Parts: sequence; C-alpha cells; structure tokens
Amino acid sequence: GQSLEQPSEVTAVEGAIVQINCTYQTSGFYGLSWYQQHDGGAPTFLSYNALDGLEETGRFSSFLSRSDSYGYLLLQELQMKDSASYFCAVPDYQAGTALIFGKGTTLSVSS
Amino acid sequence: DAGVTQSPTHLIKTRGQHVTLRCSPISGHKSVSWYQQVLGQGPQFIFQYYEKEERGRGNFPDRFSARQFPNYSSELNVNALLLGDSALYLCASSTIKGGNNEQFFGPGTRLTVL
Repeated sequence: GQSLEQPSEVTAVEGAIVQINCTYQTSGFYGLSWYQQHDGGAPTFLSYNALDGLEETGRFSSFLSRSDSYGYLLLQELQMKDSASYFCAVPDYQAGTALIFGKGTTLSVSS
Repeated sequence: DAGVTQSPTHLIKTRGQHVTLRCSPISGHKSVSWYQQVLGQGPQFIFQYYEKEERGRGNFPDRFSARQFPNYSSELNVNALLLGDSALYLCASSTIKGGNNEQFFGPGTRLTVL
C-alpha cells in the first residue's frame, strides 16, 4: 500500500520560514506533489518533484530525496494568507493517475 | 477559461437516500477523478475516468458508482447513504499527459447525511 506521513500542525509568524516534511511509503514512486487548501476551498497545485533536489517557485520551494523517501515544502516570507492546509501527494499509477494524499498539515501564520 | 465546476455546492440527505453529484472538467481535459474529503483528512481517491472509461477505483463500497459522458463531464452516485458519507466531494480534472500530473480541483460538493 501507499502511505504518507506529515505533521498535523505547524505555527509560525509573518515573515518567518517554515518547512513541512513528508515521508512516504509507496509501491513504485513517480514523484511527490504538494497542494494547498484554504478552509472551505479547493486544493490547488503548488509543486511537483520527480527527481532529487530543490524546485523553487517564488516564495515556495519543494525538495525531494528519493533514497530517503522524504520530501519537504519550504515556505519563505510567510504571509497571513499562507494560513491553510498543505498536503503532500503521490500518484498511484495502479489507479490511473489518481493521487494518494497525506492527512495534511495545518499551517497557522500569526502577526 | 472556466475552471472545474461542480453541482450542487451543498446537499442535505437522510440515511438510505441516494445522491448524484455532477462535475464539468476544464475544457480540453479528458480525465476526471473523484475524491472524498472528511473533515481534518486529506482527499481520498474514489474513481478516475478517462475517455469515458474507468481507469481506477479506490477502496470504496459498491454503493459508490460513477460515469463519464461524451462531453467528459462526470457524475458520482452514492446509494443507500450512511452518516459516514458526510463529506466534501471533490472532482478534479487533468490532461493525463502532463509531466507533473497536476490535478485541477473543483470547489466541491458538501454532502451532509442526517
């Protein structure tokens, strides 16, 4: 089976940097995605890592280590609007291209 | 361009009833996936359809069924509703061919079973 572990909650202040970790166990690995979901909203795609290393997109970066079955999302210059849930996810190619999600990390940014 | 649309936005049903949820994908997207998200959890995969054929099925009972139409829109049906079916039902569309496997989610249908 497939499973992803991430912390349930993270708190930080505006302007700070926060790292959300994700470890995974999968039968076959094709890449790690990150999604953001605000309360009551739809999940939105943030990033995807298929290869080891760091991918940077503005204030957000994502890292992958395939040998460690580990990745993280790094959020810099935190803003209040970054308060949301963040999910790591892997594709399950035994089920089309469906995503298997972690339980999510709730990030609370305070002023 | 319009994003993924879902209807209805909210729905209240009683145990034993059935429900039909609808989803229209982004224009040009041929793949539609359905997810169930209960409060405090990540989305859980239910079905994926591509070109009107089922491509994958998650670990859900046979009370759940779906189909995709020639215009690539999709319906999710749930029979004999249970209290535990109360959740946000999300539809996502994708191109399948994208290297990053990006899924575009709709706003969801909030189903409450009383």
